[in-house]
Amino acid sequence: DTAVSQTPKYLVTQMGNDKSIKCEQNLGHDTMYWYKQDSKKFLKIMFSYNNKELIINETVPNRFSPKSPDKAHLNLHINSLELGDSAVYFCASSQGLQAGYGYTFGSGTRLTVV
Amino acid sequence: GEDVEQSLFLSVREGDSSVINCTYTDSSSTYLYWYKQEPGAGLQLLTYIFSNMDMKQDQRLTVLLNKKDKHLSLRIADTQTGDSAIYFCARGDAGNMLTFGGGTRLMVKP
Repeated sequence: DTAVSQTPKYLVTQMGNDKSIKCEQNLGHDTMYWYKQDSKKFLKIMFSYNNKELIINETVPNRFSPKSPDKAHLNLHINSLELGDSAVYFCASSQGLQAGYGYTFGSGTRLTVV
Repeated sequence: GEDVEQSLFLSVREGDSSVINCTYTDSSSTYLYWYKQEPGAGLQLLTYIFSNMDMKQDQRLTVLLNKKDKHLSLRIADTQTGDSAIYFCARGDAGNMLTFGGGTRLMVKP
């Protein structure tokens, strides 16, 4: 069973469209994250949720809106997609906010905006 | 992440040892991590070290931490072609917020 699963794996869409990426974890973790990996492989935190509550919201355009319906899910909705949004988006989860547990990552969603 | 830096590329021959280096600026880091990313996949946690340790060994992997110099290294003994990947170091703070380096692409030649 996949521990952290994201759908879709690939997403190609036109500028201006609205799209969603879904993430689910079956590890019983209570903290989930969204990271963006650009073409140079840099990973930047976007959002973090702990027990369905937003705890980290880095400088991300408000076109990006995360939603956590329960502890096992953290979805990412993106409005009015732009070319610069093209990247690989990774979902991750961890147990609590204590250091030392590291994160478990999903396999990523490659978003291409044309 | 600008406060975690790694060299971009490392090439070694199969059977040799690989040493991947990382420097960081924030001395409040409590844990430091090494992740591996294979093509088209997510990041896989390889190992981690607590900031009050100098060394940790796990099979072919040895992590060295020089806290004074804020330098972290990952040594892979007997490197295999299957070790070819991008390796990320990351530092974690007390709130388990991870900041990643830019990744080192390891190429292993047969």
